[in-house]
Amino acid sequence: DADVTQTPRNRITKTGKRIMLECSQTKGHDRMYWYRQDPGLGLRLIYYSFDVKDINKGEISDGYSVSRQAQAKFSLSLESAIPNQTALYFCATSGVAGDEQYFGPGTRLTVT
Amino acid sequence: LAKTTQPISMDSYEGQEVNITCSHNNIATNDYITWYQQFPSQGPRFIIQGYKTKVTNEVASLFIPADRKSSTLSLPRVSLSDTAVYYCLVGAPNNDMRFGAGTRLTVKP
Repeated sequence: DADVTQTPRNRITKTGKRIMLECSQTKGHDRMYWYRQDPGLGLRLIYYSFDVKDINKGEISDGYSVSRQAQAKFSLSLESAIPNQTALYFCATSGVAGDEQYFGPGTRLTVT
Repeated sequence: LAKTTQPISMDSYEGQEVNITCSHNNIATNDYITWYQQFPSQGPRFIIQGYKTKVTNEVASLFIPADRKSSTLSLPRVSLSDTAVYYCLVGAPNNDMRFGAGTRLTVKP
């Protein structure tokens, strides 16, 4: 079984809809991250959490919110989806400070 | 956060050694240098991390000069399966790290 799972893997939604992307990990890591990737570009950090009570904005948090329900779960919400949020979304986890990040398989989101 | 600069793309041939250099002129004292590999439609995968001098693992070497203002990822004897995007990240363990645009490496037969 994969260490980091994301659901759904693909989603098509309409402008204005609320959508939630979920991430679960079995690595026992405290740190979790949400990134988005646009075609041909690198990853941009949306939000990150160093533990259940510590959530921080990344470089592009506008239009997104997150919830860290437990150590193993970190959800990303788009309150009112817009077409320019169409992208590939990745969740990642890491352990102790400076440790490598482990990425999930990604969620391909299309907003029409 | 330290800004990184890498070549946009590189081409190589199977069996050659590939060196990808990353510039990070404003690296801070506490910053580490980390490299990731990404295949299309997959999440990035950790390759190697270092702070200074040289680090080597089973897949790559990382060379960091004394001033730490740049670093070079070395991939020995690349194969077609090494075709991917390679990202250089610089950051401190307790802060977020930023991915740049990466270097798209194409290995030709």
